Amino acid sequence: EVQLVESGGGLVQPGGSLRLSCAASGFTFSINSMNWVRQAPGKGLEWVSYMSSTTNSIRYADSVKGRFTISRDNGKNSLYLQMNNLRVEDTAVYYCAREGPGGSWFDPWGQGTLVTVSS
Amino acid sequence: EIVLTQSPEFQSVTPKEKVTLTCRASQSIGISLHWYQQKPDQSPKLLITYASQSFSGVPSRFSGSGSGTDFTLTINSLEAEDAATYYCHQSSSLPYTFGQGTKLEIK
Repeated sequence: EVQLVESGGGLVQPGGSLRLSCAASGFTFSINSMNWVRQAPGKGLEWVSYMSSTTNSIRYADSVKGRFTISRDNGKNSLYLQMNNLRVEDTAVYYCAREGPGGSWFDPWGQGTLVTVSS
Repeated sequence: EIVLTQSPEFQSVTPKEKVTLTCRASQSIGISLHWYQQKPDQSPKLLITYASQSFSGVPSRFSGSGSGTDFTLTINSLEAEDAATYYCHQSSSLPYTFGQGTKLEIK
């Protein structure tokens, strides 16, 4: 079964840091580009970050640029999101999602991990 | 950045009715447009790829069309389980973007 499982969310104070992980199984992780997408409570989907399969292409949403860092370990079938200098507005469920071939659709999505930034 | 605008934002429909949701892009994206269904407390599920290709396992009552800037998702003969929020997503260029969503209520 193709599956993504996120972990690492939690409650953090403004200015703090968290590292999210996404464990992949059931497919050849190393050949797929991966993305992080977030959803603030009661809001829509917001794309956060992209990393190509070879790690030579990385992009971020303007809202997180300079604060978040995406990375992957193809040997461990894992994707990561290092989040620094967190803000209240970063509060959201964070999903990792596999990208289809050639820059396309997202499937599957993980179950999500909740990040709450609050004092 | 390509902006996707979905309409309507909310729609209330009865079972067995046909509904059409729209997604408009701020510039031409060819057919690089995909549709997702998200039910409460669940992660999004892929329905339609490249504007009109049904994803594996998706019921045949879901269909998509369009190209360039205007796209539609049609659900024929609505069922109670179709109550959800539907999002469009463009992969034509980074940054990827999503529409704001259409919430579908089944009466």
